Amino acid sequence: DVKVTQSSRYLVKRTGEKVFLECVQDMDHENMFWYRQDPGLGLRLIYFSYDVKMKEKGDIPEGYSVSREKKERFSLILESASTNQTSMYLCASSRPQGVIETQYFGPGTRLLVL
Amino acid sequence: KQEVTQIPAALSVPEGENLVLNCSFTDSAIYNLQWFRQDPGKGLTSLLLIQSSQREQTSGRLNASLDKSSGRSTLYIAASQPGDSATYLCAVLRDGANSKLTFGKGITLSVRP
Repeated sequence: DVKVTQSSRYLVKRTGEKVFLECVQDMDHENMFWYRQDPGLGLRLIYFSYDVKMKEKGDIPEGYSVSREKKERFSLILESASTNQTSMYLCASSRPQGVIETQYFGPGTRLLVL
Repeated sequence: KQEVTQIPAALSVPEGENLVLNCSFTDSAIYNLQWFRQDPGKGLTSLLLIQSSQREQTSGRLNASLDKSSGRSTLYIAASQPGDSATYLCAVLRDGANSKLTFGKGITLSVRP
């Protein structure tokens, strides 16, 4: 069965802290994604990776960086957390398959920055 | 730029009712359209995927249709149950855009017993 796991379900951090969100998939997927989800704004793509060490900015990359050293793991880094980064963070993965491609999502990490 | 719209944002219906959720998109150049379900505080689960060349897909009590030329999709839920209460999101896979999905903001459905 397909599985995407995220390291924490809930996280509380202080302004200025460096925050790491980890995502692991066990499906040998090439693509991995980080989204944030906010009420009224929907899902927004932060970063996308299509291979190990390859990354591409999404729609809202400011204040975030990513790391993909191994195919199964994709990390989102908040270099200096700010209160406006309080949000639900969702990781997803997919295999490039053209018209039948879909994404598989993790359970999400709810981050509160105080 | 592709935009996906879902209206209304919320819907409340009595148990047993058949209902239709709507989704519209601005650019017809898509690879596929997908419907996802999200339970409160959880991740997204794929429900149905319609390829760009298809008109509809069915799974159990769910039926999704796609009209590319008009930029519309509907998700039909037959005989709704309280367990169907969730947020339903539609998303389009952008043509030639490296696997990126554009999501609507979702419709929060409440099915009253």
